[in-house]
Amino acid sequence: QKEVEQNSGPLSVPEGAIASLNCTYSDRGSQSFFWYRQYSGKSPELIMSIYSNGDKEDGRFTAQLNKASQYVSLLIRDSQPSDSATYLCAVRGDTGTASKLTFGTGTRLQVTL
Amino acid sequence: ETGVTQTPRHLVMGMTNKKSLKCEQHLGHNAMYWYKQSAKKPLELMFVYNFKEQTENNSVPSRFSPECPNSSHLFLHLHTLQPEDSALYLCASSQVQGWTDTQYFGPGTRLTVL
Repeated sequence: QKEVEQNSGPLSVPEGAIASLNCTYSDRGSQSFFWYRQYSGKSPELIMSIYSNGDKEDGRFTAQLNKASQYVSLLIRDSQPSDSATYLCAVRGDTGTASKLTFGTGTRLQVTL
Repeated sequence: ETGVTQTPRHLVMGMTNKKSLKCEQHLGHNAMYWYKQSAKKPLELMFVYNFKEQTENNSVPSRFSPECPNSSHLFLHLHTLQPEDSALYLCASSQVQGWTDTQYFGPGTRLTVL
């Protein structure tokens, strides 16, 4: 059973601070990793994808991957109230003809004024 | 807008009804997916279609029946559902290209079974 674990939160950070969201996965053969943001009542929206060990930066977002530790994280710098949402970690393990993603339950982030 | 549309956005049905959910993608992708999202549970992959061929059926009850007439359209036919089937049903699409393809989600259909 492939699993993706996230702390459900809520993670509360003040406006302007760095939010750190973490995710661990069980399938050592996983190749692709994704972070989605989901506002209440809305569908998941892709934030970042990462495939190689190390850091990947996109604006205020940085994804970090450590395959040896089976750990992926998302850092949000200069957090804004509009960042308040649930962040879903998704992992693709197979290399078949179509991707099969395993999702975590998500971490709810609250950015306070 | 992600280029993936779903109709209806909300659906209330009785356990004896038959209804269908529709998904359409305008991204030129070749794979489409159905997910179920229930409260406090992770997204559950239900069905995968790649080049119109069903490649995955994650032990979904037969009261859910998918149909993919072409690579742009995906349906989920519903019949004799149970109250526990009430959830957000999400459609996604991707362009399969090795292991880097990314899934984009539609807005979802909020289903309530009475």
